[in-house]
Amino acid sequence: GAVVSQHPSWVICKSGTSVKIECRSLDFQATTMFWYRQFPKQSLMLMATSNEGSKATYEQGVEKDKFLINHASLTLSTLTVTSAHPEDSSFYICSASIQGFMTDTQYFGPGTRLTVL
Amino acid sequence: SQQGEEDPQALSIQEGENATMNCSYKTSINNLQWYRQNSGRGLVHLILIRSNEREKHSGRLRVTLDTSKKSSSLLITASRAADTASYFCAPYHYTGANSKLTFGKGITLSVRP
Repeated sequence: GAVVSQHPSWVICKSGTSVKIECRSLDFQATTMFWYRQFPKQSLMLMATSNEGSKATYEQGVEKDKFLINHASLTLSTLTVTSAHPEDSSFYICSASIQGFMTDTQYFGPGTRLTVL
Repeated sequence: SQQGEEDPQALSIQEGENATMNCSYKTSINNLQWYRQNSGRGLVHLILIRSNEREKHSGRLRVTLDTSKKSSSLLITASRAADTASYFCAPYHYTGANSKLTFGKGITLSVRP
């Protein structure tokens, strides 16, 4: 149980285009989903926290107009990287916590490798 | 910051040996968690130890927590090549809605066959 999927698993795009990454909780309802990015051999950096039906809470230094997050249902959150540039190339990981529980235990998706040319 | 700091940064051992990884943190916590990440993959939750617990076991994993020293250790016994991965500790302090985990840089464990 508690499986989280991400789609796509990898994507290559041209500079200036937008890319949408989906995060789904497959067998549970997730009140809260988290989006992280990770550079090679580095830690996960929390970008934003999203709650179903409300605006995402972005971490300091993360541009909300560039990284659009939508959490339309209890099983789906999307991250759209708008006008992507090479410096946006990274590994993006989402996680979800189970509705009704504290957000202490998070279930992670397999990640999406974004490469911007 | 409640970010955990793992030590050592890298660890290389022979299959069958035990691997000990340490984590220190600075603030009070409700629990501390350990995660594993295989190369190019998401994180897998390994074990959670609550602030009122001192030791916890799960299979070949043994976690200790010393809240007076603000430190934790993860022991993997009888390591296997498949244990090769990065390991992260994540101290958790509940501060209300949207409480979050903060990860350190992790420990790269290599288990040689």
